Amino acid sequence: DAMVIQNPRYQVTQFGKPVTLSCSQTLNHNVMYWYQQKSSQAPKLLFHYYDKDFNNEADTPDNFQSRRPNTSFCFLDIRSPGLGDAAMYLCATSRTSGSSDTQYFGPGTRLTVL
Amino acid sequence: ILNVEQSPQSLHVQEGDSTNFTCSFPSSNFYALHWYRWETAKSPEALFVMTLNGDEKKKGRISATLNTKEGYSYLYIKGSQPEDSATYLCAFHSGGGADGLTFGKGTHLIIQP
Repeated sequence: DAMVIQNPRYQVTQFGKPVTLSCSQTLNHNVMYWYQQKSSQAPKLLFHYYDKDFNNEADTPDNFQSRRPNTSFCFLDIRSPGLGDAAMYLCATSRTSGSSDTQYFGPGTRLTVL
Repeated sequence: ILNVEQSPQSLHVQEGDSTNFTCSFPSSNFYALHWYRWETAKSPEALFVMTLNGDEKKKGRISATLNTKEGYSYLYIKGSQPEDSATYLCAFHSGGGADGLTFGKGTHLIIQP
């Protein structure tokens, strides 16, 4: 059974049109992460929630925001997507934020910006 | 800025052959090294979490070693099978309040029948 679910798997949006990607988990984990992977690049952490505490990476653009309405769901909002935001977006969860805690990933949402 | 390097970038291996590839990471502020296997259209799957210098972990035909003093980890696959074809990612955790993983770009492994 899928433990970390991402919808949709593929998303096409227009330049400047707001888009929301969603992630849900059945693991009841405290921490949820969003990573961005551009073509031929390493996945890069955008931000994460520990419970309701939001932690933004210093170099994450303001264009990217996140919401976590409850333990199970987390959303990634891109307010005004640019062509450079086309990427694979991965959601992950872990029980705690400990360094040796396994992170469980969803299959990703591939975002295309036209 | 943390730098995690993986080599080679891609690798073609004949079915039945053994192979290995490398992950290099900063040797300071080391907390943990994670290995993931990512098959196309699937979720990245955790293989190993390694925390101690000299750690060796094994899962079936796949094993990994860790050298934190010199900042590298090797992943070995013995007797490669077509189902081993995937991208193998390593990720470094530096602790100290950094709660996410710093990934390498991955090694793309293709097993040829």
